[in-house]
Amino acid sequence: NAGVTQTPKFRILKIGQSMTLQCTQDMNHNYMYWYRQDPGMGLKLIYYSVGAGITDKGEVPNGYNVSRSTTEDFPLRLELAAPSQTSVYFCASSYKRTLSYNEQFFGPGTRLTVL
Amino acid sequence: DQQVKQNSPSLSVQEGRISILNCDYTNSMFDYFLWYKKYPAEGPTFLISISSIKDKNEDGRFTVFLNKSAKHLSLHIVPSQPGDSAVYFCAASAGTGANSKLTFGKGITLSVRP
Repeated sequence: NAGVTQTPKFRILKIGQSMTLQCTQDMNHNYMYWYRQDPGMGLKLIYYSVGAGITDKGEVPNGYNVSRSTTEDFPLRLELAAPSQTSVYFCASSYKRTLSYNEQFFGPGTRLTVL
Repeated sequence: DQQVKQNSPSLSVQEGRISILNCDYTNSMFDYFLWYKKYPAEGPTFLISISSIKDKNEDGRFTVFLNKSAKHLSLHIVPSQPGDSAVYFCAASAGTGANSKLTFGKGITLSVRP
């Protein structure tokens, strides 16, 4: 299993440009997440999905959009890039069972710079 | 408002000695706690977890202790090895339902000196 894969690894955007960060998992996990990590900070949840066709906002959703058309894929869309979106983005997935907490598996991250 | 606090940004220990990484939380609804380890240019990887019904969980060289009354948990690594040098994130969750989410601390950078 490749686990959670993310593309691209690095990207530089100009202010106002848009892009999609790709995330794919091959573990048949039903839950998927997008986080951002700013320097010296913890991970903050942007959006999450509990299954195909179902998404919900996390702590910092403004400026982002997501979709979940398949179990495997959970792309994150930036419509109008701003310098404040310069960060490292991590995608994660987990298999949620009731009455227990399953750990999340993370991808390697996408380092995004907006200039 | 930071609900999960890792107040020490860094820790340096000698190889073979014990590493103790601390984490405090403010939300009394948190009932599940996890530690993640992160190497540079990689995503975090799960290390160990503990439920609020326990006060200790052990996995090889790693032990997590939970003090609910103090809202404090700690990760002990014994003995520490140079390969343990990484950033360690403490994370917490309230409940296990569909909308339970992880709240992360800022992380502690552990350096293990040979």
